[in-house]
Amino acid sequence: GDSVTQMEGPVTLSEEAFLTINCTYTATGYPSLFWYVQYPGEGLQLLLKATKADDKGSNKGFEATYRKETTSFHLEKGSVQVSDSAVYFCALFTGGFKTIFGAGTRLFVKA
Amino acid sequence: NAGVMQNPRHLVRRRGQEARLRCSPMKGHSHVYWYRQLPEEGLKFMVYLQKENIIDESGMPKERFSAEFPKEGPSILRIQQVVRGDSAAYFCASSPFERGAYTDTQYFGPGTRLTVL
Repeated sequence: GDSVTQMEGPVTLSEEAFLTINCTYTATGYPSLFWYVQYPGEGLQLLLKATKADDKGSNKGFEATYRKETTSFHLEKGSVQVSDSAVYFCALFTGGFKTIFGAGTRLFVKA
Repeated sequence: NAGVMQNPRHLVRRRGQEARLRCSPMKGHSHVYWYRQLPEEGLKFMVYLQKENIIDESGMPKERFSAEFPKEGPSILRIQQVVRGDSAAYFCASSPFERGAYTDTQYFGPGTRLTVL
């Protein structure tokens, strides 16, 4: 079945460091891919999405490129801030009416 | 335009009681999804509903759990005879049906955190 695997956390970085959170997927068909962010005590917010191969999603300095050949959608940011501390979820949607989530990666950014 | 609303935000129940979780989708959205998040885990799909119809309940436990989305009013996730293992955050999401096609983006509510004592 369809699945998402993302790197385990927590990831701890200093402010202004470069961030990469790896995400790979398994899916039949051509899924849409997403990154969601969850701040403490809150629901999920859509961070960015890509709907087809080679698309790049971007928002708030975060980027991810849909790589069909490697079935990956890695999240990157050039310079993280303390306010980026949160849990990040990679997810896919294949049109089967549900979004499938990875386990989440917790990011801590130190000042 | 208000977002997806869920209430209560926190719910405490004793074992054996019933829990009722409510979700009001975004204005204009006719599709509702329920997910469960156990501590330190990702979200797991439970059920997908349209008004007065359950479309996919493949993620719902076979017993004690039920969901509805009536013609009027919010969607309800009902858990009967709760057990400690039901303690989790329950998230609702909604999406529109636009121009005869489903959309892939879901908008999430803030969640209901259920604690079973």
